[in-house]
Amino acid sequence: NAGVMQNPRHLVRRRGQEARLRCSPMKGHSHVYWYRQLPEEGLKFMVYLQKENIIDESGMPKERFSAEFPKEGPSILRIQQVVRGDSAAYFCASSPRRDTSSYEQYFGPGTRLTVT
Amino acid sequence: DAKTTQPPSMDCAEGRAANLPCNHSTISGNEYVYWYRQIHSQGPQYIIHGLKNNETNEMASLIITEDRKSSTLILPHATLRDTAVYYCIVRVAEGGAGSYQLTFGKGTKLSVIP
Repeated sequence: NAGVMQNPRHLVRRRGQEARLRCSPMKGHSHVYWYRQLPEEGLKFMVYLQKENIIDESGMPKERFSAEFPKEGPSILRIQQVVRGDSAAYFCASSPRRDTSSYEQYFGPGTRLTVT
Repeated sequence: DAKTTQPPSMDCAEGRAANLPCNHSTISGNEYVYWYRQIHSQGPQYIIHGLKNNETNEMASLIITEDRKSSTLILPHATLRDTAVYYCIVRVAEGGAGSYQLTFGKGTKLSVIP
């Protein structure tokens, strides 16, 4: 039973380019979450998606960032016109359908984005 | 979500129990206590969670005080591989506003020493 998969693990982009980060949730999980971790800081929530729906994007910067989770395929976090401040580790997590009890999120290994 | 307070760092001798404290004095009745850890350069790993009863699983035990204002994560026999940053997170129960978000603070950096 594979865990959450993220690719690429490391991504280098020049300022102004686009970055695409992919996340495949655990089998049977239909909820995906993206978090960002700046150097020496804790993880910050960015967006929560279910299949074909964005449930909460309150943690996403208003410009240049977007996320999707299509019916088929992985979830994608897209950063347009990257700047040096976007350099961070981006983690994806997934959880199963909610039931009546609390539920935990399972994290992937992360994508480390470096903007030069 | 309620704020949590953890010591920034702790040391523990290999093979001994590691007891990691967490204060959450403003916790509400419908908020759970979660523990995650992050080993260097890896994604966070779920450890355990509880509401008001003590919990135990194959990784750790969680002791929550009767007034629920604090808790302790216990790793019964720490190994070098347990060296990590441990995060105590309080989160509203299912259905509460923002219940899906995990709010990570700075955590406790646990160093297990040979």
